[in-house]
Amino acid sequence: EPEVTQTPSHQVTQMGQEVILRCVPISNHLYFYWYRQILGQKVEFLVSFYNNEISEKSEIFDDQFSVERPDGSNFTLKIRSTKLEDSAMYFCASRITVNQPQHFGDGTRLSIL
Amino acid sequence: QKEVEQNSGPLSVPEGAIASLNCTYSDRGSQSFFWYRQYSGKSPELIMFIYSNGDKEDGRFTAQLNKASQYVSLLIRDSQPSDSATYLCAVNMRTGRRALTFGSGTRLQVQP
Repeated sequence: EPEVTQTPSHQVTQMGQEVILRCVPISNHLYFYWYRQILGQKVEFLVSFYNNEISEKSEIFDDQFSVERPDGSNFTLKIRSTKLEDSAMYFCASRITVNQPQHFGDGTRLSIL
Repeated sequence: QKEVEQNSGPLSVPEGAIASLNCTYSDRGSQSFFWYRQYSGKSPELIMFIYSNGDKEDGRFTAQLNKASQYVSLLIRDSQPSDSATYLCAVNMRTGRRALTFGSGTRLQVQP
């Protein structure tokens, strides 16, 4: 069964550094999402992406965040200047149409020191 | 504020019993509803989805939706210890957002 793949599985970064999280959505999916889950808390929406542009973003997704689909297969989340509170699991998800279920990748655990 | 509410649990049931997990949502115009299972340290895994009022069955799982009461539930029949996990209710709300709004999850413990 096709899967959403995310790399790396674990990223450790010094505060203030830039980090890029990578995702390969399922190949025929058109809608892409990033979510995060701080330890012990809810899964929270960050941003959605469709037709090569952001379609929605949450209040969490401020100017330090950006997303890109550089080559038609990868979907990346960049955090420009990481803060301690950015430590979380980051999940990429994709779906084929807007009302179909989203399928999640295994996540990247981001630890900011 | 648009919310999805779940009892955090833990809900403890003996092996072989029916586990009943509940979820309420605040946006009356919500259109699609999903149940995900999440093991500790892992990603959400889709279990069921439901769009229309009534019941939808898939194997040991039944999702129930009542839009008038803004209530969605998940029944797990013949519960197994491997079903022990956190169950996340997620909703596509009407208010311009196609992303999912998640509840905080209900932790299910199935006792052997």
